[in-house]
Amino acid sequence: DIQMTQSPSSVSASVGDRVTISCRASQGISSYLAWYQQKPGKAPKLLVYAASSLQSGVPSRFSGSGSGTDFTLTISSLQPEDFATYYCQQANSFTLTFGGGTKVEIK
Amino acid sequence: QVQLQESGPGLVKPSETLSLTCTVSGGSISNYFWSWIRQPPGKGLEWIGYIYYTGSTDYNPSLKSRVTISVDTSKNQFSLKLNSVTAADTAVYYCARPNWGNWYFDLWGRGTLVTVSS
Repeated sequence: DIQMTQSPSSVSASVGDRVTISCRASQGISSYLAWYQQKPGKAPKLLVYAASSLQSGVPSRFSGSGSGTDFTLTISSLQPEDFATYYCQQANSFTLTFGGGTKVEIK
Repeated sequence: QVQLQESGPGLVKPSETLSLTCTVSGGSISNYFWSWIRQPPGKGLEWIGYIYYTGSTDYNPSLKSRVTISVDTSKNQFSLKLNSVTAADTAVYYCARPNWGNWYFDLWGRGTLVTVSS
C-alpha cells in the first residue's frame, strides 16, 4: 500500500493567516491526489482533486499543488469556517489510502 | 440531487456480523462505482472497498477476509457486511461515490456510528 504522511498533525492559526499543509506519498502517485475538509460530526468534503483542481463551489482561497510524492494544500487567507481537519488521499492505485489528517485550530 | 443514506444497527456484539445498507436517492445506482469508508472515533479515514453496479468488487487487503460488499440495483442500494467484528471495528461508517472516471469522493453519506460491544 502507498502510505500518505501529512504534516503538521495540527496547526494553530488566526483568521487571515496563510496556512500550508503538506502531504507526502511513500511512492510516486503522479497527480492522483485529493484534499478533503472535515468538520466535527460531518462527512469529509472534497476540496481539491487531481492535486490542483478546485472542486466546484470551493472558495478560491483554497489551492493545491505538487506531483510525484510531495503535495501541498494552501489556504491563502484563513476564514472562521475553515477551522477543521484536512485529509489527503491518493487515487493512484488500490488500496486507496488517506493521510492521518491535519487539524487547523484557532490561535 | 443525488443523496446517500446509511442505515443499520448502531450496536453489534463482538464476533458477530456488522451489516449496513446505503440507499441512493435522487439518482440511479447504475453506471457508478460505490464505496464504504470508515473512521474510528478521533482517528483518520480507512477505505474499506468498492462495488460497481454490475457487482464487481475490490476490498482493502487488511479487511478482505472479513468483508463483503453487495449491490441491489432494483432497490438502488448497496450493502456492507463485516464479520467477526471486534472493538477495533467501532467506527463511523460512510458510504461514498467517487467522481465518474476517477477515485476522488465527491459524494458522501452522513455516516453512521457502529459500536462493537457486548
